[in-house]
Amino acid sequence: DAKTTQPPSMDCAEGRAANLPCNHSTISGNEYVYWYRQIHSQGPQYIIHGLKNNETNEMASLIITEDRKSSTLILPHATLRDTAVYYCIVRGSYNQGGKLIFGQGTELSVKP
Amino acid sequence: NAGVMQNPRHLVRRRGQEARLRCSPMKGHSHVYWYRQLPEEGLKFMVYLQKENIIDESGMPKERFSAEFPKEGPSILRIQQVVRGDSAAYFCASSEVQYYGYTFGSGTRLTVV
Repeated sequence: DAKTTQPPSMDCAEGRAANLPCNHSTISGNEYVYWYRQIHSQGPQYIIHGLKNNETNEMASLIITEDRKSSTLILPHATLRDTAVYYCIVRGSYNQGGKLIFGQGTELSVKP
Repeated sequence: NAGVMQNPRHLVRRRGQEARLRCSPMKGHSHVYWYRQLPEEGLKFMVYLQKENIIDESGMPKERFSAEFPKEGPSILRIQQVVRGDSAAYFCASSEVQYYGYTFGSGTRLTVV
């Protein structure tokens, strides 16, 4: 599975958009980009995933560059409850194994 | 539809005792994954199981640790002769199909005294 690089920490003002970047320059054609978050030692929570098209759900948007070497997770209106560690993970398709490998992630602090 | 259920939430064991951690996957999910998170560290993959089969145990310590996912009942992570270094949060996740996103449980916090 391809490796990812994320900034260790970011701050965001409450109510503003939080844009979390992730580099995955060695991603291969059949690898998906997943985002999870972990709020203060709780179980990780799935946010969103995508292959090459931009994706949006009730939690966030995922923007993947055309060359797929990087992506950005967007929380459109961050709240204090969005303070968490956010993990960007690249994972192979069905025949490449099922496990998700977590890196160090980005610690997002949403401030009032 | 209940989520992934882990029990107990907190477990205290003395050095040398056995710890048994249970994980009931979401209904309809036949893939289970165990992760360990040491204090102030990231999540480390331990083992991936399907019903009655261990698919990938590349992250499992070679000694004292074992995992099973029987045909009936929850998945069990077993740690024999626990040591203080086993103190950690252990998370279980399940998925319906191998390459779908996981749903995680709330974890079991193991403290070895």
